[in-house]
Amino acid sequence: NAGVTQTPKFQVLKTGQSMTLQCAQDMNHEYMSWYRQDPGMGLRLIHYSVGAGITDQGEVPNGYNVSRSTTEDFPLRLLSAAPSQTSVYFCASGAYYQPQHFGDGTRLSIL
Amino acid sequence: KNEVEQSPQNLTAQEGEFITINCSYSVGISALHWLQQHPGGGIVSLFMLSSGKKKHGRLIATINIQEKHSSLHITASHPRDSAVYICAADYGGATNKLIFGTGTLLAVQP
Repeated sequence: NAGVTQTPKFQVLKTGQSMTLQCAQDMNHEYMSWYRQDPGMGLRLIHYSVGAGITDQGEVPNGYNVSRSTTEDFPLRLLSAAPSQTSVYFCASGAYYQPQHFGDGTRLSIL
Repeated sequence: KNEVEQSPQNLTAQEGEFITINCSYSVGISALHWLQQHPGGGIVSLFMLSSGKKKHGRLIATINIQEKHSSLHITASHPRDSAVYICAADYGGATNKLIFGTGTLLAVQP
């Protein structure tokens, strides 16, 4: 049972480039979410999904796009990378009213 | 403004000490989560509680709904407990949306 799998683990981009952070879970969880973690700040919610075909914005959605075509996958797209998006990104999944399961994170640097 | 406050931000303890980390939140919640993050590592859920007290091994989590306050206790601390401990308030109910504290960095020295 792999849990929540994030790829890649590390990535360096140039300003203006686009990329997709992948997230997959094998626990049949309806709820999935993306967070970013920055020094001195708590994890902040970027986007979340309560089921296939349903997504919504979190606290800091600007510059990011998501889709949820299957229960298993919830990719996060950076449309035009900016240095302010340098961060560690975590994907999480969970069943309602249950603790969330987190991936190992993606460390992203934008030059 | 972060609606979840943790204290202390940093904590150094000697092996064997009893440790307490505190978390306060601003409005009513459906649940309070405690998570652990090792340096450079992933995030693991320790507890989810909506009332009373939970215990797992040397870890104990309590919550006081009236005072909007939760504590995480570690008994007989060990160097392997060194990590960042994060509390998160679940305001979202069916959406599982969490608001996170900034974390407490714990270092347990042998």
